[in-house]
Amino acid sequence: GAVVSQHPSRVICKSGTSVKIECRSLDFQATTMFWYRQFPKKSLMLMATSNEGSKATYEQGVEKDKFLINHASLTLSTLTVTSAHPEDSSFYICSARVAGETYNEQFFGPGTRLTVL
Amino acid sequence: GEDVEQSLFLSVREGDSSVINCTYTDSSSTYLYWYKQEPGAGLQLLTYIFSNMDMKQDQRLTVLLNKKDKHLSLRIADTQTGDSAIYFCAELADSSYKLIFGSGTRLLVRP
Repeated sequence: GAVVSQHPSRVICKSGTSVKIECRSLDFQATTMFWYRQFPKKSLMLMATSNEGSKATYEQGVEKDKFLINHASLTLSTLTVTSAHPEDSSFYICSARVAGETYNEQFFGPGTRLTVL
Repeated sequence: GEDVEQSLFLSVREGDSSVINCTYTDSSSTYLYWYKQEPGAGLQLLTYIFSNMDMKQDQRLTVLLNKKDKHLSLRIADTQTGDSAIYFCAELADSSYKLIFGSGTRLLVRP
């Protein structure tokens, strides 16, 4: 099946710094990528939808200036958490939708655990 | 609005069948999915069902869909300890391709 990677898998940073998380589709082109946030023992919360070559669409309540998303190519989307604070600590997961796929299978990355001290 | 609900926890004995239930609210969803998440990992698609189907079987997995009641279930036959994980159902918000996830059901398989 299609593979989605995320880098880094785990990051610890100081409060006030910015952190960039990469999401790559390794063996397919993804016109659309999605960024989710998952709190411990909770479900996935969609943060934004990222379309290649255009601005991301953010869900209600998600600060676009706080969570910068760039989808520069058909295989790479990045999420930058700017001026991170401890409340931004979470598990961030991306998924990629296969271009042209009719049943909308989304392939998920392994996730990035962010800890802000 | 969109809302997907699941029971939080299920415990079964190895070899028994597991049934995980889900209710959703968006009757226009064309696809419904079951995902598995192991600790500290991303999500793995187990199976999906198109809304015009009542049942789909894939090896040990059986999905039942009751559109009238907006109820989806996943049955795992001969449950193994490796099946212990969190299972999420999800519905597709068609126009945007967004997935709306349930709260997840933690399945514990006892030896």
